[in-house]
Amino acid sequence: SQQGEEDPQALSIQEGENATMNCSYKTSINNLQWYRQNSGRGLVHLILIRSNEREKHSGRLRVTLDTSKKSSSLLITASRAADTASYFCATDALGYQKVTFGIGTKLQVIP
Amino acid sequence: DAGITQSPRHKVTETGTPVTLRCHQTENHRYMYWYRQDPGHGLRLIHYSYGVKDTDKGEVSDGYSVSRSKTEDFLLTLESATSSQTSVYFCAISESGTGVRHTIYFGEGSWLTVV
Repeated sequence: SQQGEEDPQALSIQEGENATMNCSYKTSINNLQWYRQNSGRGLVHLILIRSNEREKHSGRLRVTLDTSKKSSSLLITASRAADTASYFCATDALGYQKVTFGIGTKLQVIP
Repeated sequence: DAGITQSPRHKVTETGTPVTLRCHQTENHRYMYWYRQDPGHGLRLIHYSYGVKDTDKGEVSDGYSVSRSKTEDFLLTLESATSSQTSVYFCAISESGTGVRHTIYFGEGSWLTVV
């Protein structure tokens, strides 16, 4: 079963708007990563946030982590049509080395 | 892009036949993984390897076997394909298997249809 679950499952926005995706997980984690998947392609790593970090930035990406709520959010600012993809969070539960992925959020950015 | 090559990229096979998917990496990473991706289930780990001849099961390993005779190659075999194994299969690699501390790099996927 998935450790992480993304919300919403689908999101459609206009180009230039911000997109926010959320990931909730069930048990305490060591680290959390976000990945992106373009249609018909493999997943590509975007950003890693450690359990002792609260916020991290990478270009137009902003990731937050709230360990008390067991949740993370991915914000893409000033979205572009090229951001259209599915986004997944990946977590590793404490004491459990394997990584599990959520079902993903499918983002559509309309030009 | 990480040097991961999956073959074949697309395959249609009949129920009951054996199928082998190959993953080849040029990064010399220790860990290799096979995932399947299905609508509504996301990515699920089938098997993984932490070294030559060292493999372990993931969460959906029934009906699958793997082998790793060389660092660079990781084979996934469906011993007797069933329609429920119709899926997209992704090979992945990482330097370390300790959680998400290290980036996981994915191949481009192999689309398998079992008819």
